[in-house]
Amino acid sequence: RKEVEQDPGPFNVPEGATVAFNCTYSNSASQSFFWYRQDCRKEPKLLMSVYSSGNEDGRFTAQLNRASQYISLLIRDSKLSDSATYLCVVFQVSGGGADGLTFGKGTHLIIQP
Amino acid sequence: DAGITQSPRYKITETGRQVTLMCHQTWSHSYMFWYRQDLGHGLRLIYYSAAADITDKGEVPDGYVVSRSKTENFPLTLESATRSQTSVYFCASSESGGPSYEQYFGPGTRLTVT
Repeated sequence: RKEVEQDPGPFNVPEGATVAFNCTYSNSASQSFFWYRQDCRKEPKLLMSVYSSGNEDGRFTAQLNRASQYISLLIRDSKLSDSATYLCVVFQVSGGGADGLTFGKGTHLIIQP
Repeated sequence: DAGITQSPRYKITETGRQVTLMCHQTWSHSYMFWYRQDLGHGLRLIYYSAAADITDKGEVPDGYVVSRSKTENFPLTLESATRSQTSVYFCASSESGGPSYEQYFGPGTRLTVT
């Protein structure tokens, strides 16, 4: 199965700082890309989709680099509430279609006061 | 609005026993999914369903059985539980199975097999 790789961290970042992390994927035919957020012992929730042109949602910016096969997430002015695990998720074409989502293992972010 | 619920939230069972994890969604989403999450692994798909009475295997289906007689329910059964099936199980649903869909996850079931 094609892989989605993330630095597990933890990233320890002071409140108010900017933090960025990347995710690489191995299948060049991947179609869609997402960042999910997972709080400790909770369910994953969609943070944002990642579009080819890059996209921004408040303090969060996602970028896609198809040539190098990576996506990135940038968090500006980090808040204590941003502490979580961020899952990189890639939709890769497979036989069944709906089973095409592959989840990375996650990057653990800790915002320190 | 309940959204997607799972029961039980916590379960301890013995090796060899059959156990069923329940998943219920109130959105009438067509697609439903079962994942397991273990340390050192990302979420791994066990089974999914595109509609009532349509199910298909995911990445790690061995030892599990699913059914979907009603759109809103998607139970997962461990036929003869093994210690390697100790995990956190998440159910998810989505409106469609295309590449742009968002999956909505339930709160998870923490299963321990002793």
